[in-house]
Amino acid sequence: AQKITQTQPGMFVQEKEAVTLDCTYDTSDQSYGLFWYKQPSSGEMIFLIYQGSYDEQNATEGRYSLNFQKARKSANLVISASQLGDSAMYFCAMREHRFYTGANSKLTFGKGITLSVRP
Amino acid sequence: GAVVSQHPSRVICKSGTSVKIECRSLDFQATTMFWYRQFPKQSLMLMATSNEGSKATYEQGVEKDKFLINHASLTLSTLTVTSAHPEDSSFYICSARDIGPGGETQYFGPGTRLLVL
Repeated sequence: AQKITQTQPGMFVQEKEAVTLDCTYDTSDQSYGLFWYKQPSSGEMIFLIYQGSYDEQNATEGRYSLNFQKARKSANLVISASQLGDSAMYFCAMREHRFYTGANSKLTFGKGITLSVRP
Repeated sequence: GAVVSQHPSRVICKSGTSVKIECRSLDFQATTMFWYRQFPKQSLMLMATSNEGSKATYEQGVEKDKFLINHASLTLSTLTVTSAHPEDSSFYICSARDIGPGGETQYFGPGTRLLVL
């Protein structure tokens, strides 16, 4: 089964509006971490936001917030006040802490979502 | 935030040659670094986990002799694509794990575009 599921093929949003990018995950671990990364056309992976499974509050970083619904196993990214520079591919990722050792701690990525911001 | 550099950013080589890609953590020490491969419009595929001072751990299906990884210091890991062929053309990205007071984060390098002719 897929660990991280991102099913939206592509998203469009008008500049200055908010947009939600969906991510669901599958794990049997109680302790895990969820990440969102942005990848513009240049290719670099930019870390956006992190949510730990035991964090009681949803993570926020500037215009980015994570809508964490543990029971539903979803970790949607909300981008408020979209900007043209937000156009990029967005990846949701998870690290299961059960394998938290130097050798085995690794991120599992979803397929990504392409976001296009319209002026 | 932490910075990870990669060199070169782009390389074109002839089939049969070897290519070395360097990954450096610039302002933190990384005992663990990761190497990914990404095809256009697709997700990142983990190739191997590189541990400082020990052998890399390769993912299933990744040829160890084809993709040589050396993590000689806490700030440098190298990936060597040996006897490169056109099917090795891809975008290679490294990342380094930073463990700080606030927890653990994985920072990525800018990537290396490899084109094998």
